Amino acid sequence: EADIYQTPRYLVIGTGKKITLECSQTMGHDKMYWYQQDPGMELHLIHYSYGVNSTEKGDLSSESTVSRIRTEHFPLTLESARPSHTSQYLCASSRGNEQFFGPGTRLTVL
Amino acid sequence: KQEVTQIPAALSVPEGENLVLNCSFTDSAIYNLQWFRQDPGKGLTSLLLIQSSQREQTSGRLNASLDKSSGRSTLYIAASQPGDSATYLCAVRTAYNTDKLIFGTGTRLQVFP
Repeated sequence: EADIYQTPRYLVIGTGKKITLECSQTMGHDKMYWYQQDPGMELHLIHYSYGVNSTEKGDLSSESTVSRIRTEHFPLTLESARPSHTSQYLCASSRGNEQFFGPGTRLTVL
Repeated sequence: KQEVTQIPAALSVPEGENLVLNCSFTDSAIYNLQWFRQDPGKGLTSLLLIQSSQREQTSGRLNASLDKSSGRSTLYIAASQPGDSATYLCAVRTAYNTDKLIFGTGTRLQVFP
C-alpha cells in the first residue's frame, strides 16, 4: 500500500498570498498527480508528472504550478491566491495502473 | 470525449441491505476501471481495480463487475454496515491515455442502524 502525505491538511489564507501545498510519497512511484475537487463535484486533473523534471498540465486549467525535483516530492504552488482557488486539492501517485491518493488539503481563500 | 456517470447520486438504506451502485461510461475503449471510497473531507481509498480484460473483481463484501461493450460497471456491497457510509467514486482509464483517470461525480451512501 502506498503512503502519500499532504500538508497542510487545512489552510485558510487571505487573498494575494503565495502558498505551497506539499505532497510526498514514500513508495518510489514515478507518476504523480494533482486533482482539484469542489464540494459535491467530480475530481479534475490539474497537473501530473511522469518522473523527475517532468510536469504536464491536466484537463482542468489551473493557475497553479508544480515542480518535480525529487521522485518523492511533488509540490503545488499558487503565486497569488484568490477566493476562486478555494477547493480541496488531492495528490496521488501510481504503481502500474492503480492510483493511490493522499488525504487532501482543504484550501480556503478569504 | 469520455464521460463517466454514476447513479444514483445519493442512497440511504438500513443496515444489512445488499446494494448496487452503478457507473456508466460513454467510450468503451477503456484500459481499466477503478472504484474508490471517499469519506467526508478525506482523500480517496482504492477499493477495486478491474482491468479491461476482466469481468469482475471481489474484495470481502465488495464485488465489482465490468461490461465494457455496454459501458457499465456495478459495485455490489453485501450486507451493508453503517461503516460503509461514504461517497463511492468510479474512475476509468482510457485505452489511448492510460495515465489519466476520468472520474464520475460519485454516489453518496448512507447506511443507518
